[in-house]
Amino acid sequence: GQNIDQPTEMTATEGAIVQINCTYQTSGFNGLFWYQQHAGEAPTFLSYNVLDGLEEKGRFSSFLSRSKGYSYLLLKELQMKDSASYLCAVMDSNYQLIWGAGTKLIIKP
Amino acid sequence: SQTIHQWPATLVQPVGSPLSLECTVEGTSNPNLYWYRQAAGRGLQLLFYSVGIGQISSEVPQNLSASRPQDRQFILSSKKLLLSDSGFYLCAWRLGEWESTEAFFGQGTRLTVV
Repeated sequence: GQNIDQPTEMTATEGAIVQINCTYQTSGFNGLFWYQQHAGEAPTFLSYNVLDGLEEKGRFSSFLSRSKGYSYLLLKELQMKDSASYLCAVMDSNYQLIWGAGTKLIIKP
Repeated sequence: SQTIHQWPATLVQPVGSPLSLECTVEGTSNPNLYWYRQAAGRGLQLLFYSVGIGQISSEVPQNLSASRPQDRQFILSSKKLLLSDSGFYLCAWRLGEWESTEAFFGQGTRLTVV
């Protein structure tokens, strides 16, 4: 079967750095996506990785290791508005997105 | 630029009543269209997807159906709602059936069946 694992919830302090991990086992791999979802709202696209390594976009970075079936999302200089759920999704061999359950990130002042 | 519209934003329906949620995409042609359901604190469950007019693939057998009467219109329906149909419904689109492209989501519909 196909499986994506993320921690259910994480807590961090404003101004700090947090790393949200995602491990996956899927039928094929055609890229990994990270989305941000604020409570009651739709997910919005953050990043895409298809090759190993780090992709940086401002305060957010995403890392991929295909051999380990592992990715992480790194958020720097945390702000209160970063409180949200972060969803990891993998595109499988049929170009279908397989979604993790999401990690709820709580930012404390 | 491309936009996606989904309505209504919230809906309260009695058990046994019908359902129709509509989603339209603007600014693109032949998008792949998706209906997801998200239970509280859970991930996205794919319900239906469509790669073209009249082409619907169902991922989860249940009390719902979908239709694509026009290229950029996707409709989620039910003849008789169940309590278990309550949830957050999301329509999404992306380009390229066989390409790694990101999905874009509508605002979502919060459905409560009472």
